[in-house]
Parts: sequence; structure tokens; C-alpha cells
Amino acid sequence: GQQLNQSPQSMFIQEGEDVSMNCTSSSIFNTWLWYKQDPGEGPVLLIALYKAGELTSNGRLTAQFGITRKDSFLNISASIPSDVGIYFCAGDTGANSKLTFGKGITLSVRP
Amino acid sequence: DTGVSQNPRHKITKRGQNVTFRCDPISEHNRLYWYRQTLGQGPEFLTYFQNEAQLEKSRLLSDRFSAERPKGSFSTLEIQRTEQGDSAMYLCASSLHRTGSYEQYFGPGTRLTVT
Repeated sequence: GQQLNQSPQSMFIQEGEDVSMNCTSSSIFNTWLWYKQDPGEGPVLLIALYKAGELTSNGRLTAQFGITRKDSFLNISASIPSDVGIYFCAGDTGANSKLTFGKGITLSVRP
Repeated sequence: DTGVSQNPRHKITKRGQNVTFRCDPISEHNRLYWYRQTLGQGPEFLTYFQNEAQLEKSRLLSDRFSAERPKGSFSTLEIQRTEQGDSAMYLCASSLHRTGSYEQYFGPGTRLTVT
């Protein structure tokens, strides 16, 4: 079945640093979504991407839809302590039916 | 706040008991999804509805699981004869199905513990 790969499993950065994370797939997706999840809560949508090559920003977050449609990237600039959490990528084939999620990357920010 | 809501937030039950969870989607959203998430994993799709019609079910959804969305608004997910392997976070999401928009918004989840 379709799988999304996110690595590494954990990232540790200093407050104020930028961080990049990527997500790859062996299958093509028509939509890429990035979510953040805090412990005990549901995922919160950060950015949605709909076109290959698209670059979209949401505040300090920037995400890109890979040109091959098999990958996506999320950048967080000038990290702050509240950026701590688990970041998931998710792909949709475009039928708006089910999302396929990666395993997530746990981000820790040292003050 | 008009986001997705789920009740209860936590449920502890003994093996063999039945449990039912409720999801109230964002009011104008016509699609509703159920996902299951275990520790260290991303959410996994279980089933989804468009209005009151259940359009797809995952192979993860065994015969002990049933979901309904009787009036196209709220939805319930029932698990019969719970097993320890059913312990997980059950997440509900909703979306407004229209061309060019595929954003799913999640509720806070129901954490199920089967003892």
C-alpha cells in the first residue's frame, strides 16, 4: 500500500534556528498536507499544497510540493518553544477520500 | 468555537465490552472521516461518509466496528466486544467536498484504553 516516509524520527534544535523536514513517497499524490500534533490532541492543519512545484507560506512555516509529486518539504524559520510537537505529512490522491500519513517527526526546541 | 468535537475524550473499558464514540463535524462540512492512531504512528484511515452515505471502509475496520452518520450531521463509531488491540486514539475529521479543496480538519480525539 501507499506509504509516506518521514525521517529522522526526532529532531532537536536551538530556539531561533531554522529547521527543514521532508516527506517522501513511492506513489504520486495530488495533494500534500502538513499537520502538527500536540500530546493528547488531534492533528492541526498547518499548510495544504495542491500543485506540483507549489510553494506556500503560513507565517514562519513554508512548505513545497515536490515537482515529481512524490515528495514535500516543510521549513520552520526562527523556531520558538511552542513549535515543539509532532509534525506529520499526509497525502491525498485527490479523491478527497482518505489521507495517508507518515509516522511523524518529533521536534524539540531547546531554549 | 465551531471546530470538530468528539466525545468522550477518554474511555476506559474492560475487554469484551461495547463502546460508542461520537463526532460532531464542522457544521457546513459534508464529509466525515474516522481514523485510528496508535503510539508512534500517524493516523490510519478507517472509514468516511459523504452526508449520510458511508462511501469507503478500510480493511482495518473489522466486523466488530460499525460507523453511522444517520442524518448527515454527527457520526458514531461503535466497537463491539472490545479487545486490548483496540486501544488507540480514535480521531474524527471533516471536510467540505468541493473541487480544489481537500483539507481535512481533525477533532481532539477519543483515547480508548481496553483493560
